[in-house]
Amino acid sequence: EVQLVESGGGLVQPGGSLRLSCAASGFTVSSNYMSWVRQAPGKGLEWVSVIYSGGSTYYADSVKGRFTISRDNSKNTLYLQMNSLRAEDTAVYYCARDLRVDTAMGHYYYGMDVWGQGTTVTVSS
Amino acid sequence: DIQMTQSPSSVSASVGDRVTITCRASQGISSWLAWYQQKPGKAPKLLIYAASSLQSGVPSRFSGSGSGTDFTLTISSLQPEDFATYYCQQANSFPFLTFGGGTKVEIK
Repeated sequence: EVQLVESGGGLVQPGGSLRLSCAASGFTVSSNYMSWVRQAPGKGLEWVSVIYSGGSTYYADSVKGRFTISRDNSKNTLYLQMNSLRAEDTAVYYCARDLRVDTAMGHYYYGMDVWGQGTTVTVSS
Repeated sequence: DIQMTQSPSSVSASVGDRVTITCRASQGISSWLAWYQQKPGKAPKLLIYAASSLQSGVPSRFSGSGSGTDFTLTISSLQPEDFATYYCQQANSFPFLTFGGGTKVEIK
């Protein structure tokens, strides 16, 4: 079964750090594009970051310089290292398989077809 | 940055009704648009990609249309399990993605 399971959320003080994990089963993380998406309480969805199968990484302006996306191929796991956390980073964080192809010939997008259950991050003193 | 505006923000409808949700992009995005359904406390679910392609396993009562800046998601005959919030997402500004603000479909 194709599945993503997040962990690592919790309560952290402003300025603190947290690392989220997203363990995949049924498919290989390193062969896919993988994204993190977050949802603040009562709000809509916000794309946070993507890691390409080739290893390139990209971030939303709201987290650039503070968050780092990475993966461990041996563990088939995606990570999001979050530093210098702010109250506005409080949200449920989802990892998702991102069906895109981005090459010099062009790009194609087929949506995010597999999602984790989400992990809650609360930034508060 | 490309902004995505959904309307209405909420709609009340009855089982069996036809429901149409609109998503407008601040600039042309070709057909690089996806639609998701989200129920309370759950992760989003992919319904439509490339503006009009139905994701595998999604009921045929869901359909998408549009290109450029204006897109629609239509539920032809609303079912009890369709009461949820729906989001559009643009993917023209690679590698960056943007979601719309969401449309909540409520029971009338």
